[in-house]
This record gives sequence, C-alpha cells and structure tokens, in this order.
Amino acid sequence: RKEVEQDPGPFNVPEGATVAFNCTYSNSASQSFFWYRQDCRKEPKLLMSVYSSGNEDGRFTAQLNRASQYISLLIRDSKLSDSATYLCVVNGGSQGNLIFGKGTKLSVKP
Amino acid sequence: SAVISQKPSRDICQRGTSLTIQCQVDSQVTMMFWYRQQPGQSLTLIATANQGSEATYESGFVIDKFPISRPNLTFSTLTVSNMSPEDSSIYLCSVATGMATEAFFGQGTRLTVV
Repeated sequence: RKEVEQDPGPFNVPEGATVAFNCTYSNSASQSFFWYRQDCRKEPKLLMSVYSSGNEDGRFTAQLNRASQYISLLIRDSKLSDSATYLCVVNGGSQGNLIFGKGTKLSVKP
Repeated sequence: SAVISQKPSRDICQRGTSLTIQCQVDSQVTMMFWYRQQPGQSLTLIATANQGSEATYESGFVIDKFPISRPNLTFSTLTVSNMSPEDSSIYLCSVATGMATEAFFGQGTRLTVV
C-alpha cells in the first residue's frame, strides 16, 4: 500500500460546482496533515492544515478521520482560479519529512 | 512563513556534467530537505540537509550522485553529479521549523539533461 493515496483525477468541473477530493494514508502514527496546491510549473504551496475537528477556510473545508486514516478536501463554488493540482500530505517520513500523494488535478471550466 | 530563494530556476546541461543548485532562506530554519519531482509524479525526498554534518539520504539516493552541503541554518546546496537524461526533473528545496510542521518550498530548479 502506498503511503499516501489520492483520487487519480483529473476532475473537470464547471464554475460554481462543488468538488471533493479524498486521500488515505498508511502510517497510523502520522500526526500532521495538510493539503497543498501546486500550479503548473510552480512549487507546491500550503493550502491548509487539516485538524481532527475539521476546519474551514472560506470555500475550502478539510476533514480528517483518524480511525479510517482518511482525509478529505471540499471546495465549494469552484472558481477558474482553483484549477491546479491538489496534493494530500502527511508527516511521518523517516527523517521528519512530509510525504506527498501524487496529487489530483482539478480543472474548472467556464 | 520563510522566504526561500532557489537558483538556478532552470538549466539545460550536457550529460556527464554536474550542476549545483543553491537554496537560501531568509531566516534560520531547523530542517531543510531536497526533493525531486519527475514529470507527472509527486515529490520524492532525496535527503535531509543537516547543518554541519553529512546529509541523510533516502533509499535510492547516494552521496556520490547527490552531494549536499549545509554550512549554516540558512543555506544549502544540492549537486547533481555526472548527469544523465534520467536526471531531468524538477529539484525543490524545502524548509520546515519542526518535524510535524508544514513545509515551504523554493521555486524549484527545472533541469533538462541532453
């Protein structure tokens, strides 16, 4: 089983749609969880951290289920500018590093 | 968040040569990492750059191929040695303030080996 697995995508949605990304992780000892966004030919940037109680930042909502080792990201009212690849990330690498999923590509169309 | 300056941003190199990538951070950071991102793939950790000592490499990466320096808490270099076309990739410097904290990235170096 891969350490971090995500929906393969791509997701092609119209503006205004709600889209959900899912992610599972294998290391039950992981303590920190994040969603990163990576635009084409750019470096990954932190979108939001994910907490056990769930957290919301504007149109973005992240959820964590530790029992199922499952993380989700919900984007409401999609904008064209949301088009990017979304990376599910957990800590727990052997060197204290973050472990990245392969990412899910989102394309929001007019 | 830390401001990270990575250079060069891109390069085209001849096989058999070496390229050194620099990463400069605007503040002292505990942890610095070097990642590789091959086309269509996610990020793979190459090594952790340790200040004042040898880097810690992940399985599949060796010091002779990817020598790393970290002379202080704000600067590190990664060298890609004796390059082949298979080394064509994006190389990313990353910093974190602790083991369970978020990481921040430099702009990346897009390397093409011909």
